[in-house]
Amino acid sequence: NAGVTQTPKFRVLKTGQSMTLLCAQDMNHEYMYWYRQDPGMGLRLIHYSVGEGTTAKGEVPDGYNVSRLKKQNFLLGLESAAPSQTSVYFCASSFGPEAFFGQGTRLTVV
Amino acid sequence: EDQVTQSPEALRLQEGESSSLNCSYTVSGLRGLFWYRQDPGKGPEFLFTLYSAGEEKEKERLKATLTKKESFLHITAPKPEDSATYLCAVQAMLIGGKLIFGQGTELSVKP
Repeated sequence: NAGVTQTPKFRVLKTGQSMTLLCAQDMNHEYMYWYRQDPGMGLRLIHYSVGEGTTAKGEVPDGYNVSRLKKQNFLLGLESAAPSQTSVYFCASSFGPEAFFGQGTRLTVV
Repeated sequence: EDQVTQSPEALRLQEGESSSLNCSYTVSGLRGLFWYRQDPGKGPEFLFTLYSAGEEKEKERLKATLTKKESFLHITAPKPEDSATYLCAVQAMLIGGKLIFGQGTELSVKP
């Protein structure tokens, strides 16, 4: 049982480049989330989804887009990467009160 | 505005030295308060959910309690393997189930 899988685990981007982070869950959860974690800032919600085909903005959505075309996948896109987007990104999914997190993607924008 | 504040930011203990971590929160209708453990380089791992003031949950050396304004994570006779960052989060009475996290407390237990 894989749980929540994030791809890739590490990535270095140049300013202005674009990329997509993939999150896949095999628990049939309705809710999925993207967070970023920065030193001293804790986990901050970027976007979330309450079901297939739905998305909503979280606390820090600017510069990111998301899509939930299939229930098991939640994609996070950076259209034009900026150094301020250097962070560790976590995907999570939930059905009840407990959220399950992936292992994270460490993104560096230079 | 919904907010979660954890203290202290870092805590160093000797093995066997009991202590408590604090999580203060303000939220427009608490649906649940959550404690997670995060090891370096890994995603957060669920520990407890508390729903109402007065509720307590225990797991091995950890005990979580909840009041109307804060939650405590009590660590009794900690061991080095308890070293991790402990995250507190609240879930408001809104759709989406989104969690609002505190900054975390980094716990280090020395043998």
